[in-house]
Amino acid sequence: DTEVTQTPKHLVMGMTNKKSLKCEQHMGHRAMYWYKQKAKKPPELMFVYSYEKLSINESVPSRFSPECPNSSLLNLHLHALQPEDSALYLCASSQEKSGDTEAFFGQGTRLTVV
Amino acid sequence: GESVGLHLPTLSVQEGDNSIINCAYSNSASDYFIWYKQESGKGPQFIIDIRSNMDKRQGQRVTVLLNKTVKHLSLQIAATQPGDSAVYFCAERRFPKLTFGTGTRLTIIP
Repeated sequence: DTEVTQTPKHLVMGMTNKKSLKCEQHMGHRAMYWYKQKAKKPPELMFVYSYEKLSINESVPSRFSPECPNSSLLNLHLHALQPEDSALYLCASSQEKSGDTEAFFGQGTRLTVV
Repeated sequence: GESVGLHLPTLSVQEGDNSIINCAYSNSASDYFIWYKQESGKGPQFIIDIRSNMDKRQGQRVTVLLNKTVKHLSLQIAATQPGDSAVYFCAERRFPKLTFGTGTRLTIIP
């Protein structure tokens, strides 16, 4: 199984809503990532988890709150988002060692903030 | 800011011809350079990587060249097929970070 599964595929939320994005992998990867991708732009790194601990936060606003409840799951909790937060949110996982470069990406959650 | 970038945003190639996608980088501290392919509605997919101390690496129909003197990376796709149509990103790996460049859209002309 080389899949990273993200749910939901699409999400529309209001600026006062609270929602969560979910990501799951069963490849035994101990590094997991959240990226944000705007249209016609490259993915931008948001967070990196290593062995279920947050190791990198790329100065992401606190309205985005990541959580890694176990080695297979990664959540992104959303609260009080702005319309400019509308984007494709991608989850990825990889082996937790520098010599292993292959990161596997999910298909993303298309988020629209209204 | 980003330390990798691409020379051209779009590239059109005749089916069956070879494609060359270029990328410039500014950070010499990367461990690896990687090429990803992203098709419409999908997440990026790993194509091939090259360690920073190598010059060339070949895969199936793809070759990556790294010129550290001019900080330039290229992806060559042999005998381009319709299924190669996608956006191609170069990326750099400074463990555990994976940072993407701007992207080139490759269009195949039948």
